[in-house]
This record gives sequence, structure tokens and C-alpha cells, in this order.
Amino acid sequence: DAGVIQSPRHEVTEMGQEVTLRCKPISGHNSLFWYRQTMMRGLELLIYFNNNVPIDDSGMPEDRFSAKMPNASFSTLKIQPSEPRDSAVYFCASSPGTGGQPQHFGDGTRLSIL
Amino acid sequence: AQSVTQLGSHVSVSEGALVLLRCNYSSSVPPYLFWYVQYPNQGLQLLLKYTSAATLVKGINGFEAEFKKSETSFHLTKPSAHMSDAAEYFCAVTLYGNNRLAFGKGNQVVVIP
Repeated sequence: DAGVIQSPRHEVTEMGQEVTLRCKPISGHNSLFWYRQTMMRGLELLIYFNNNVPIDDSGMPEDRFSAKMPNASFSTLKIQPSEPRDSAVYFCASSPGTGGQPQHFGDGTRLSIL
Repeated sequence: AQSVTQLGSHVSVSEGALVLLRCNYSSSVPPYLFWYVQYPNQGLQLLLKYTSAATLVKGINGFEAEFKKSETSFHLTKPSAHMSDAAEYFCAVTLYGNNRLAFGKGNQVVVIP
């Protein structure tokens, strides 16, 4: 079975540039989550969707961050403009959406903003 | 709201010795509990889960965890550590009807030869 697929795996760009991270959840999963992981702050939930609808975006750091889920098989996390403090590993995860189910994580995107 | 506490960010264990990682949860109703492992440069991988069936749960790679309601704990153990167990381990909790997981801060396990 294909797991959660994230692209790109690595992204290096200059401050001020737009960054788009992509995620394909596991087929049949109807909940999707975006996380950010840093040494200082650990694993933080940014936003999650249920049936393509954003349910909780309280973890999104500021207006420079936006996330969309246009259909059940695709989601994007966009940062515009990017800043060096956005450097982190960004994970996407999906789950079947029924109660008590584990989340399945992608391998992450390692983002470096110079 | 539910939460998880993992004490001791770094845990050192000798190869062949017992691995014990502690997890205590806070929840007003019976929770669902998970342990995840993260190897370097990889995403989180599910080790095992407790979903109100047997209180002793066996997972992958020889790990197991025991749910103790009276102690609000879900500690992870492995009888004999292997070098390949060096990784970061996260405990997480959720409630039925809630898709969101609350993660602990993680334990970085170092295995000493």
C-alpha cells in the first residue's frame, strides 16, 4: 500500500520566496494533518482537515502560512513570503478519520530558508 | 483536553539492557494511546496502539506497552535493546470521535554498545 507521499523531500530557497509543500494522503483517509518539527519547539500541529474542510488552523504561525485541500487526494501548505525562521521539517499525516485511529506520516519535507 | 507527559528527553541504555520509556496521560474519559518511533530523516512510524482491548499491547520490533488506568500510564518497554533501537519515541493520546492527537515531547534513545 502506498503511504503518505510528500514532495519535495528537500527544499532550499532564499528568504522572501514562495514555498509550496505538497501532500498526497493515503487513499480512503478523510483526515489530513500538517505538522512542523524543529529542535526548539518539537512537533507542532499547524492545521488539520476533515473531508477536505479545514477544522482547526489555530497552529498556523501567521498569515504568511496557508493550506488548502482541493480534493481528497491532495493538499498544499504554502509559505509566502518565506523567512529563515520557517526552516524546519514539515510533515503531512492522514488518518481514516474515525475515532481512535492512528495517523500515518509521510517522510517530511526538510525546508531551509537562507 | 487530553495531554501526554514524557519525562527525560534523552535516555541512554546499554545494548542488551531493558528499554523503559514512561508516558502518563491526562484524560477525563478512556483514551486511545499510541507510541510512535522516528528514525533519523524519516517520518513518525506507528509502534503500537491501545484501543480499549487488551491492556498489554505488543508492537513491532519487540516493543510492548501496558495500559494502567489506575496510574494513567502507558509505558513502553523492550526487554533487550538493540543498536537499531536508537531513535526518538513519541507517546500520543486521542479520544474516540476526535481525530487530533496530542503528542508528548519525545524521548531520544541512545544505545551504548
